Amino acid sequence: DQQVKQNSPSLSVQEGRISILNCDYTNSMFDYFLWYKKYPAEGPTFLISISSIKDKNEDGRFTVFLNKSAKHLSLHIVPSQPGDSAVYFCAAPGAGGTSYGKLTFGQGTILTVHP
Amino acid sequence: GAGVSQSPSNKVTEKGKDVELRCDPISGHTALYWYRQSLGQGLEFLIYFQGNSAPDKSGLPSDRFSAERTGGSVSTLTIQRTQQEDSAVYLCASSPHSTANYGYTFGSGTRLTVV
Repeated sequence: DQQVKQNSPSLSVQEGRISILNCDYTNSMFDYFLWYKKYPAEGPTFLISISSIKDKNEDGRFTVFLNKSAKHLSLHIVPSQPGDSAVYFCAAPGAGGTSYGKLTFGQGTILTVHP
Repeated sequence: GAGVSQSPSNKVTEKGKDVELRCDPISGHTALYWYRQSLGQGLEFLIYFQGNSAPDKSGLPSDRFSAERTGGSVSTLTIQRTQQEDSAVYLCASSPHSTANYGYTFGSGTRLTVV
């Protein structure tokens, strides 16, 4: 049961344009969401998060939007830079019980930003 | 140490052999997590520790997999009688929080190849 889904395996964008990465979830108990970025041969690094009490969180070039009714979130990168090329994962902490401490990750989207 | 350290960084083993993967979390981090990423797949949760106990080990794929943590610090993931489908990058992460809302810090992983 894939509770966090990233349906686009890859995205290619020109430098300077906007990158939009999408994520859907099925568990309505999720109340917090995180985005991670992963370069090859490195561990994922935390990028930005959003609480379910908000619909938008911005940090520099990165903005995450949350649509609770649609169970959908998206990460916008503006302007995109070649150094943003990486795999992006969305994740949600477990909702209660012993799953409280763990993150459930989507499958990831490979972003390629062309100079 | 400054970050999460995993060893070895690469491991090639013959099918049927046992392997041990080691994780040194950030000093003082009480929570420790193991994930794996198979080729073309997302991050799959295996087990997490709070201190030396494991509240959630639901992600361990079979009884060939086990993990322990001693002294609230170092953790070892052991895979017995390795199979080719065990080939993956095994990632360890740690956090000072009991909730995953703040995310956690990952190591660079151990790439396991079973031949």
